[in-house]
Amino acid sequence: RKEVEQDPGPFNVPEGATVAFNCTYSNSASQSFFWYRQDCRKEPKLLMSVYSSGNEDGRFTAQLNRASQYISLLIRDSKLSDSATYLCVVNSLYGNKLVFGAGTILRVKS
Amino acid sequence: EPEVTQTPSHQVTQMGQEVILRCVPISNHLYFYWYRQILGQKVEFLVSFYNNEISEKSEIFDDQFSVERPDGSNFTLKIRSTKLEDSAMYFCASSGGPGPPGDTQYFGPGTRLTVL
Repeated sequence: RKEVEQDPGPFNVPEGATVAFNCTYSNSASQSFFWYRQDCRKEPKLLMSVYSSGNEDGRFTAQLNRASQYISLLIRDSKLSDSATYLCVVNSLYGNKLVFGAGTILRVKS
Repeated sequence: EPEVTQTPSHQVTQMGQEVILRCVPISNHLYFYWYRQILGQKVEFLVSFYNNEISEKSEIFDDQFSVERPDGSNFTLKIRSTKLEDSAMYFCASSGGPGPPGDTQYFGPGTRLTVL
């Protein structure tokens, strides 16, 4: 089983749509969870950290379900600029190593 | 806003040559990392570094790789004898401390290494 698993997509959505991405992780000892976005041939950029209570940042909402080892990201009112690859990332307890999923491609079209 | 910087942005080298990739982490951060991403693949962890020593390394990080913090600001990755399969984007990252929220890692823009 992959350590972090994501649906690769692509998700093709119109502007203004709501889109949700899901991710599962295999290491139950994982302590920290993140969503990063990556534009083509650029570095991963932190979108948001994910907390057990769930958290929201503007149009973005992230949820964590530790029992199911499941992380989600919801994007409301999609913009053209949201087009990117969204990376689900988990931090192992030892050594602060980040484990990346392969990413979910989002294409927002006008 | 403080950021991680990396040089060069693109490095082309011949197989068997040594390369040094340079990074300047965010100034008050204490943990430093190297990751790589082969074109079309996911980001992979190489090594983490804290208190002037390696704290964890992956299977990829074999004897051909080494890291160093030669002064108070730079963090380098050396590949002693490059192979074709070392061609990738190499990202440096840094974080403030262990455990959330200090463990959030911020990435530099990367160095694209091409081995011919």
